[in-house]
Amino acid sequence: EDKVVQSPLSLVVHEGDTVTLNCSYEVTNFRSLLWYKQEKKAPTFLFMLTSSGIEKKSGRLSSILDKKELFSILNITATQTGDSAIYLCAVADAGGTSYGKLTFGQGTILTVHP
Amino acid sequence: EAGVTQSPTHLIKTRGQQVTLRCSPISGHTSVYWYQQALGLGLQFLLWYDEGEERNRGNFPPRFSGRQFPNYSSELNVNALELEDSALYLCASSLWTGMRTDTQYFGPGTRLTVL
Repeated sequence: EDKVVQSPLSLVVHEGDTVTLNCSYEVTNFRSLLWYKQEKKAPTFLFMLTSSGIEKKSGRLSSILDKKELFSILNITATQTGDSAIYLCAVADAGGTSYGKLTFGQGTILTVHP
Repeated sequence: EAGVTQSPTHLIKTRGQQVTLRCSPISGHTSVYWYQQALGLGLQFLLWYDEGEERNRGNFPPRFSGRQFPNYSSELNVNALELEDSALYLCASSLWTGMRTDTQYFGPGTRLTVL
């Protein structure tokens, strides 16, 4: 069965700090890894990663995938209070009983204080 | 472009009742997915519909069912509600471009409380 583990489970920082969120996975037929941000209800899409070593960047957020070591990191630089949210990591499996679904980690709760 | 929409926003039911949740995907998306997010737990996959057919289901009992309509909107039905069904139910949709993509876009969810 596919498994996704995120760390840390929660993190408290001050505005301006840089944070690194971790996601490790075990999946039978890896297809892609996705990061979402969940503030109140709807998780909003951040990144989809399919290839190792290629950094994806959007403003102050960036993410990279290591398919050999089976993990991904999400970096947020110069954090702002608006970054406070739950960050979710998910993997997509290419086949079998996992086809079509995303398997999510338990999430990292990030709190950014002014 | 309108995102994924869900209704209702909140629902309160009692044990043993039945409930129907609704989801409209992003225009042009043919796949709809349902997830359950119970308090303290991550998102758990429930069901996947594509082109009107159920393509996959998660480890949930048969009292969780659904369907997808010709306009690609979807319903999730839960029969014989139990207390542990209290959760946020999230719907997501994805785009079919000739090769399947995995980016699922989520709606705001329906918060179900079972008393």
